[in-house]
Amino acid sequence: NAGVTQTPKFRVLKTGQSMTLLCAQDMNHEYMYWYRQDPGMGLRLIHYSVGEGTTAKGEVPDGYNVSRLKKQNFLLGLESAAPSQTSVYFCASTRLTSGSTEQYFGPGTRLTVT
Amino acid sequence: ILNVEQSPQSLHVQEGDSTNFTCSFPSSNFYALHWYRWETAKSPEALFVMTLNGDEKKKGRISATLNTKEGYSYLYIKGSQPEDSATYLCACRVGNQFYFGTGTSLTVIP
Repeated sequence: NAGVTQTPKFRVLKTGQSMTLLCAQDMNHEYMYWYRQDPGMGLRLIHYSVGEGTTAKGEVPDGYNVSRLKKQNFLLGLESAAPSQTSVYFCASTRLTSGSTEQYFGPGTRLTVT
Repeated sequence: ILNVEQSPQSLHVQEGDSTNFTCSFPSSNFYALHWYRWETAKSPEALFVMTLNGDEKKKGRISATLNTKEGYSYLYIKGSQPEDSATYLCACRVGNQFYFGTGTSLTVIP
C-alpha cells in the first residue's frame, strides 16, 4: 500500500496563476482532509470530505476549492494564487467509523507564490 | 474554531532524561484526542488516539494520559533517546474536524 500520496511535492506559482494539488489514498478511507501548515500556526483545516461527491469547509477555506469525484482522490484547487497561500499543504485520510480511528498523512506539498 | 494549546513550545533534554508535555483543549464537544510524532521533512505519524476520560495509552517508552473533564492530555517519554527528537502534535477531534495545537519541539542531546 502506498498510503496517502500527494502530487506535486514542490511548486512555485506567480500571483494570479492557478493550480490543482492531488491527494490519493489506497486505504478505502471515507474521510479526506486538506490542511495547510504555516510557521507558528500549526495545521489548519482548509476543506474536508466525508465521502465521494461531498465536500465541506474547514477553518480557512477562502481562496480554495475542492472536489471529490472519486473516493480515492481529493483535489485542492487554487483559482488565483496569492502570496498569502505560500505554505506547506498536507492531505490526510481516515476511516472515522469510530472515535479511535487514526488519520494518515501524505508527505506534503510545498507551495511558494511569488 | 477550537483552541488547542500545547506547552512547552520547545524542549531540550539530555539523553536518558524523562520528559513530558501538555495538550490543553476545551472540554465541551470533545470526541477524541490524537497525538502525533512529526519528524522534520516527513509527515505526521499517529502515536495515540484516546477517547475516554482516564484513558492511558503506551507504546514502548512513550505513554499518554487523558483528562476530558478538565481538558488536558499529557505525553510522557521515559529515558529519552536522540531518535525521539521530533515535534509532538496533539489534535482534538470535534465531529468530523480535527483541531491541532502548534506542537512541542523536542531535542534530545546525546
